[in-house]
Amino acid sequence: QKEVEQNSGPLSVPEGAIASLNCTYSDRGSQSFFWYRQYSGKSPELIMSIYSNGDKEDGRFTAQLNKASQYVSLLIRDSQPSDSATYLCAVGGPSDYKLSFGAGTTVTVRA
Amino acid sequence: DGGITQSPKYLFRKEGQNVTLSCEQNLNHDAMYWYRQDPGQGLRLIYYSQIVNDFQKGDIAEGYSVSREKKESFPLTVTSAQKNPTAFYLCASRTIASNQPQHFGDGTRLSIL
Repeated sequence: QKEVEQNSGPLSVPEGAIASLNCTYSDRGSQSFFWYRQYSGKSPELIMSIYSNGDKEDGRFTAQLNKASQYVSLLIRDSQPSDSATYLCAVGGPSDYKLSFGAGTTVTVRA
Repeated sequence: DGGITQSPKYLFRKEGQNVTLSCEQNLNHDAMYWYRQDPGQGLRLIYYSQIVNDFQKGDIAEGYSVSREKKESFPLTVTSAQKNPTAFYLCASRTIASNQPQHFGDGTRLSIL
């Protein structure tokens, strides 16, 4: 059973600031890492995927992966009120098609 | 438009009743999944299927059943044995190529009458 832990929220940031979300995982063999955004009452939406150590940037989002430390993070730059949501970290193993999800971190961006 | 369609959006179950949640996808994905989400919690895997006519139990399969007779369809039945069925149910699918993400339908919210 892969375990995925996310930093407990809620996380409140002022508009325009950087929101930093963290995720650790227990299975060293994990190979794929995803961040999903889930608005209240809605289904999760994929916003980032990362597979190699280092940074991956997409617009205002940057995902960072450190496999040695079993750590993946998501930075949201220039946070907007529309970024207010719960962010789920998901980790995939090498030999199956399942993902393990963290409990999520709720972000609130204050105008 | 390609996507995953879940129906109904809201469902109410009476005591002792079985109910079936529909999930259809036209993305030509081989793998399909059912998750349960309780308020303030993450996703818990109920069942998944990688190929037609085959499926595996997830972490919380008790009280649920599935079938996979067609590639496009993966219905979930919540049986009367599931004593606490109130939750948000999410269907997902993905290709079987390595390390691909799952994509989700809009979900079904199930409540007990």
